[in-house]
Amino acid sequence: IVLTQSPGTLSLSPGEGATLSCRASQNFGSTYLAWYQQKPGQAPRFLIYDTSSRATGIPDRFSGSGSGTEFTLSISRLEPEDFAVYYCHYYGSSPFTFGQGTKLEIK
Amino acid sequence: EVQLVESGGGLVQPGGSLRLSCAASGFTFSIAWINWVRQAPGKGLEWVGRSNRKTDGETVQYGEPAKGRFTISRDDSKNTVYLQMNSLQTDETAVYYCAAYYYDDSGLRGFWGQGTLVTVSS
Repeated sequence: IVLTQSPGTLSLSPGEGATLSCRASQNFGSTYLAWYQQKPGQAPRFLIYDTSSRATGIPDRFSGSGSGTEFTLSISRLEPEDFAVYYCHYYGSSPFTFGQGTKLEIK
Repeated sequence: EVQLVESGGGLVQPGGSLRLSCAASGFTFSIAWINWVRQAPGKGLEWVGRSNRKTDGETVQYGEPAKGRFTISRDDSKNTVYLQMNSLQTDETAVYYCAAYYYDDSGLRGFWGQGTLVTVSS
């Protein structure tokens, strides 16, 4: 399964809302889709699993949705620390895959 | 506190081999799936493979670049997973991360190490 993320770069201001998309090459339902946040020089941080379940400690301004081949990560009320690269990740049947990433930058 | 510490990275010549280790603490290692993920400089994440739990038959799954050349193994008595890499190529220069996932009362937990840099160069 190939994951394609859009847009490549998203420029927004703190306080605005962000919508990041992840499209899968095959329909796999609504399980086994995760989202990660990565800042420069750091390991990825686990945000969302099974499309819409927030990992422990993740603020509720982060939410995931979707099913089939279209998935979305939404971030409401952007905080300065939210500007980073975001990856979607399929972990159903091997081989697992990552999207190419969306860079969320400060406008 | 959950910790994952990768080690074993360094400089290796093209065609050479390297064994990475991922030492875990702070959780029940035997119930966790352990993944290896790599990231070339300035690039995105690439899944290398996963070691499954004993309850899953302790099987291993590999991504396409790893098949036939990489071997993942685990030692639950040492809370450690290994990644043996053979016939390394220059485009496999990357930071190699291990990532652990397990379920508890809070749901699925996921933790990543800080990574170890593998440089393949002559």
